[in-house]
Amino acid sequence: GAVVSQHPSRVICKSGTSVKIECRSLDFQATTMFWYRQFPKQSLMLMATSNEGSKATYEQGVEKDKFLINHASLTLSTLTVTSAHPEDSSFYICSARWGSGNTIYFGEGSWLTVV
Amino acid sequence: DAKTTQPPSMDCAEGRAANLPCNHSTISGNEYVYWYRQIHSQGPQYIIHGLKNNETNEMASLIITEDRKSSTLILPHATLRDTAVYYCIVRANNNDMRFGAGTRLTVKP
Repeated sequence: GAVVSQHPSRVICKSGTSVKIECRSLDFQATTMFWYRQFPKQSLMLMATSNEGSKATYEQGVEKDKFLINHASLTLSTLTVTSAHPEDSSFYICSARWGSGNTIYFGEGSWLTVV
Repeated sequence: DAKTTQPPSMDCAEGRAANLPCNHSTISGNEYVYWYRQIHSQGPQYIIHGLKNNETNEMASLIITEDRKSSTLILPHATLRDTAVYYCIVRANNNDMRFGAGTRLTVKP
């Protein structure tokens, strides 16, 4: 079964509104969570890395004020897309690292459509 | 910059072994080789990883060359459900996971 769960799996929002995507680690405490974006027929692109209790580290070219990441607990990270535009429509995927080791688990992904 | 090189696509007959190559000539001594796959519209699924020894689990085998500059993922008896994009990633502990273009494997009946 899934050890990292995302919600919602699909969301449609109007242009200009904000939408929040949740990422939960189900059976472990995730010290670090990662957020990715994937456009059709492209690979996953890392957006940001978040550590519990601290500010997220964003990749170059990712607007931190547009993609708000909160990692308030060891089992939950949220990505909020603010003032969404149609070009933000994409597949958003989170992953979580267990402890300081090798294992990284991915969520099922969330489809965002901005109309 | 991509740290791994994979063929963009491969075909395999159902029931036969699928051998997916990956070049990682600049791999560092503390970096592991990971394989994930992504079936359409789903999150990546972990397959296997290794440091320098060959590894086998219920899904696949991983063969790493002695110089560690390349590896091969082997799916021993491919099924139609193994059709997916396969990603080879090199990563050290505590580092993030960065994806290249991967190999699109199509298993044909």
